Amino acid sequence: GAVVSQHPSRVICKSGTSVKIECRSLDFQATTMFWYRQFPKKSLMLMATSNEGSKATYEQGVEKDKFLINHASLTLSTLTVTSAHPEDSSFYICSATRTSGSQTQYFGPGTRLLVL
Amino acid sequence: SQQGEEDPQALSIQEGENATMNCSYKTSINNLQWYRQNSGRGLVHLILIRSNEREKHSGRLRVTLDTSKKSSSLLITASRAADTASYFCATDAEGNEKLTFGTGTRLTIIP
Repeated sequence: GAVVSQHPSRVICKSGTSVKIECRSLDFQATTMFWYRQFPKKSLMLMATSNEGSKATYEQGVEKDKFLINHASLTLSTLTVTSAHPEDSSFYICSATRTSGSQTQYFGPGTRLLVL
Repeated sequence: SQQGEEDPQALSIQEGENATMNCSYKTSINNLQWYRQNSGRGLVHLILIRSNEREKHSGRLRVTLDTSKKSSSLLITASRAADTASYFCATDAEGNEKLTFGTGTRLTIIP
């Protein structure tokens, strides 16, 4: 158990458009989901923490109006990159925890975004 | 912000040899975890060690934790080609679900 999926796996878009990435926990309810960004050959940088039914908590330096996060249900969180620019090109990974306070995060396979 | 640093940044060894990766962190932690990431993929959880533990084993993996030195090591014994991946340590603080990841070690196993 503890499978997390992301859709799409890859997306190419034009500058100025918005892109939505979905993160789903397939076989468990995720009280908390996390969104990370990873540059090539670099580590994961936490962007925001998302709790079902409440507003996401963004890390310092992450624009909440740029990266819209919605956690509408216990199995789905979405990240929308609004008015995408080439510098938003990156690998976006989500993770989920089974219960509040759990230390183990289960990661999705990631979404590679390329903004032209 | 990243608080963990791992060394080496890259490691290449022959299949069958043991691989050791180290992780250092800066602040007090509740737990330390190790994750593996294959190229272009998500992360796979390997092992969690609590701050009051010093050593933990899981199959071919052995993790040590020295809280006085704020460091941890991951040993992979009898390496296999399939172990080729990047390995990250991640720490969390008491009462905080957020993970802070290290810079990672890229491990290459040469068949």
